[in-house]
Amino acid sequence: DARVTQTPRHKVTEMGQEVTMRCQPILGHNTVFWYRQTMMQGLELLAYFRNRAPLDDSGMPKDRFSAEMPDATLATLKIQPSEPRDSAVYFCASGSGDSSYNEQFFGPGTRLTVL
Amino acid sequence: AQSVSQHNHHVILSEAASLELGCNYSYGGTVNLFWYVQYPGQHLQLLLKYFSGDPLVKGIKGFEAEFIKSKFSFNLRKPSVQWSDTAEYFCAVLDGGFKTIFGAGTRLFVKA
Repeated sequence: DARVTQTPRHKVTEMGQEVTMRCQPILGHNTVFWYRQTMMQGLELLAYFRNRAPLDDSGMPKDRFSAEMPDATLATLKIQPSEPRDSAVYFCASGSGDSSYNEQFFGPGTRLTVL
Repeated sequence: AQSVSQHNHHVILSEAASLELGCNYSYGGTVNLFWYVQYPGQHLQLLLKYFSGDPLVKGIKGFEAEFIKSKFSFNLRKPSVQWSDTAEYFCAVLDGGFKTIFGAGTRLFVKA
């Protein structure tokens, strides 16, 4: 049963600390998305990749957030320095990128709390 | 760019009531549309999708949605809801290529 995995599932940290979230997309999927979900803003697209290349990161605060795909099996989202307003659930999703089948498969999310 | 609006932010129904959640997207042409569901404490899962063909799409768990091109709408329906349908429902549209735009979501609470 192929699924997207994310680590850690929960993270509590103090303001100013670096946070790294990891995502393993479904094997064979070539598009990867990072979303942030909060009560106030709902589901926001932060960045997405196709074939490991960043296609759009306009939703991401550039000064503190960075997203990378070091290889096809790993996507990372880093926040440095973290702030309390970054507290949210961060979801990773992957898709096959086939134009006729663009369903996204979501991971379980990382619940981040910045104190 | 596309945008998606969901008319109701919160819906409360009793079990066995019928459900219809509204969704409108911003512009026409070829559209790919989705409904996702997020059960409490879980991640989003696909309920159904429309790409072409029959505008009435059947999904999992008895859900269906109707694509009405002239109204730019893709409303979600279920004839009889159950307590287990309590969740948040997201309408989404593919915005060219691979970017999916999600609506703000509708929280459904079904009273047992």
